[in-house]
Amino acid sequence: QKEVEQDPGPLSVPEGAIVSLNCTYSNSAFQYFMWYRQYSRKGPELLMYTYSSGNKEDGRFTAQVDKSSKYISLFIRDSQPSDSATYLCAMSEGGSYIPTFGRGTSLIVHP
Amino acid sequence: DGGITQSPKYLFRKEGQNVTLSCEQNLNHDAMYWYRQDPGQGLRLIYYSQIVNDFQKGDIAEGYSVSREKKESFPLTVTSAQKNPTAFYLCASRVKGSSYEQYFGPGTRLTVT
Repeated sequence: QKEVEQDPGPLSVPEGAIVSLNCTYSNSAFQYFMWYRQYSRKGPELLMYTYSSGNKEDGRFTAQVDKSSKYISLFIRDSQPSDSATYLCAMSEGGSYIPTFGRGTSLIVHP
Repeated sequence: DGGITQSPKYLFRKEGQNVTLSCEQNLNHDAMYWYRQDPGQGLRLIYYSQIVNDFQKGDIAEGYSVSREKKESFPLTVTSAQKNPTAFYLCASRVKGSSYEQYFGPGTRLTVT
């Protein structure tokens, strides 16, 4: 069992839909959680960063962490075709600056 | 305009040749990282460096080498000992201190034939 599990998709949704992207993990020591967006043949771009449990909102994006369930989510409201990309989750233990990455979920938003 | 640059974007080499990938950052970040990305496998850590003149092996360091002579630069050499070098290589950096977020460069696609 990998430390971080992420469904590779693809997840296909119509424009305007609410998208939910998820990762599960097994290491209870993870405390720092990040979401990256990666367009094809480009480097990942940091979208959201959260510490411990709770929600964090930035524009159309909301990151949610449920440490009791070892489950993190990224919600995208009013999805746009420009949101079509691969979304990577990453997480780190406290004091470790080497994150563990999920394999990424491919999202397709069609007009 | 701060950021991380990687060059070249595409690189082609013959099997048996060493090749060096460039990574430069002007973010004043102390830590730098090299990852390899293969389809369906996510990011795998090759080497990382927390400070100048110091670096550590990651999960898949065999067949690779690095140097960190300057804070801004962290070149990666893919040697002929690397059995399957064709991949997308990503360089990242992290700000000093307790921040955990890494920032990535645009990547170099290496094809070895």
